Amino acid sequence: AQSVTQPDIHITVSEGASLELRCNYSYGATPYLFWYVQSPGQGLQLLLKYFSGDTLVQGIKGFEAEFKRSQSSFNLRKPSVHWSDAAEYFCAVDLNDYKLSFGAGTTVTVRA
Amino acid sequence: KAGVTQTPRYLIKTRGQQVTLSCSPISGHRSVSWYQQTPGQGLQFLFEYFSETQRNKGNFPGRFSGRQFSNSRSEMNVSTLELGDSALYLCASSLGRDNQPQHFGDGTRLSIL
Repeated sequence: AQSVTQPDIHITVSEGASLELRCNYSYGATPYLFWYVQSPGQGLQLLLKYFSGDTLVQGIKGFEAEFKRSQSSFNLRKPSVHWSDAAEYFCAVDLNDYKLSFGAGTTVTVRA
Repeated sequence: KAGVTQTPRYLIKTRGQQVTLSCSPISGHRSVSWYQQTPGQGLQFLFEYFSETQRNKGNFPGRFSGRQFSNSRSEMNVSTLELGDSALYLCASSLGRDNQPQHFGDGTRLSIL
């Protein structure tokens, strides 16, 4: 079945440490790929997107993501986490059918 | 540039009632999509409109409907509300062409009593 998988439901990281969030997709073709972040009581904010080309994508707030076709993955990384990065993160795919399909999300807790 | 605006932010209804939610897209965006977010089901696609035409629809009952106006503003309606309709309803807009990401509003929190 076609799906987007975020294997980690919850990640706790110390402030200043690095962060990596995993995302795998299962589709016949390579979809458009996105990462969004959601703070409590807020909507989704676009962090970055991949359509084609360079497989390392830079986004806002110091985030980057790497697309690996062979692994059907699009993992999100940040070298040094700030307390304000505590939020829920969603990976999403677009198969060019006018809709986004989302993973279940990963909640990130940042400890001092 | 103003973002996606959703009204109202919060709504409380009782079972059996109907509700209309409104979404104003980013200026110049012609595509509007709606999503339902619940703790159990996560983010699920409801429908997408472009230039007043529905281009895609998710797997929701006919009680959920939407429309888009000539100024690209959109409304969604839910009739005969059920307890399970309690959710955060998110609207997103985009230019509607290839390679254009969706930008989300802050949502309408609907609670059914």
